Amino acid sequence: DAGVIQSPRHEVTEMGQEVTLRCKPISGHDYLFWYRQTMMRGLELLIYFNNNVPIDDSGMPEDRFSAKMPNASFSTLKIQPSEPRDSAVYFCASSTTGSANQPQHFGDGTRLSIL
Amino acid sequence: GNSVTQMEGPVTLSEEAFLTINCTYTATGYPSLFWYVQYPGEGLQLLLKATKADDKGSNKGFEATYRKETTSFHLEKGSVQVSDSAVYFCALKVSGSSNTGKLIFGQGTTLQVKP
Repeated sequence: DAGVIQSPRHEVTEMGQEVTLRCKPISGHDYLFWYRQTMMRGLELLIYFNNNVPIDDSGMPEDRFSAKMPNASFSTLKIQPSEPRDSAVYFCASSTTGSANQPQHFGDGTRLSIL
Repeated sequence: GNSVTQMEGPVTLSEEAFLTINCTYTATGYPSLFWYVQYPGEGLQLLLKATKADDKGSNKGFEATYRKETTSFHLEKGSVQVSDSAVYFCALKVSGSSNTGKLIFGQGTTLQVKP
């Protein structure tokens, strides 16, 4: 079975540019999560969706960040305009239900560098 | 609120040594508990889980027992290998609340195993 697929794997861009990260969850999973990982702050939950609807976006750091899930098989995380402090690894994860015993499955992440 | 606390790393061991990584939690309700592992350059992978008190999760020689009385879920392995070098995350998930579906992660513990 295909896992969570993220693209691109690496992104290097200059500050001020728009960045779009993409995620395809595992088929049949109805929860999708976006995380950010840095050395300083560890793993942070940014936003998550249930059945394509945003449930909790309290982790989104600023208005420069936005996330969408137009359908069950695709989600994007956008940063506009990007800043050097946005440099991090961004992970997408999905799970089947909100049931407590169901784990989340993670993608390999997008390593983002803002120059 | 819900939280997870892990022992600080890095933990440095020689090959074949015994490993313990401590994890304690605070939760409302009845959480499920997880250990995830992150190898260099990769996303998080589920290592093991336990969904109720006294359950023991095990995988790849690792094990952890859900101790409700001490609110702990310590990770253990009898004989570590160099290939076990990674970052280990303890996490909990509580059902039936507004956080349904959301994992609460500890800060991660880096394990370095030397030959």
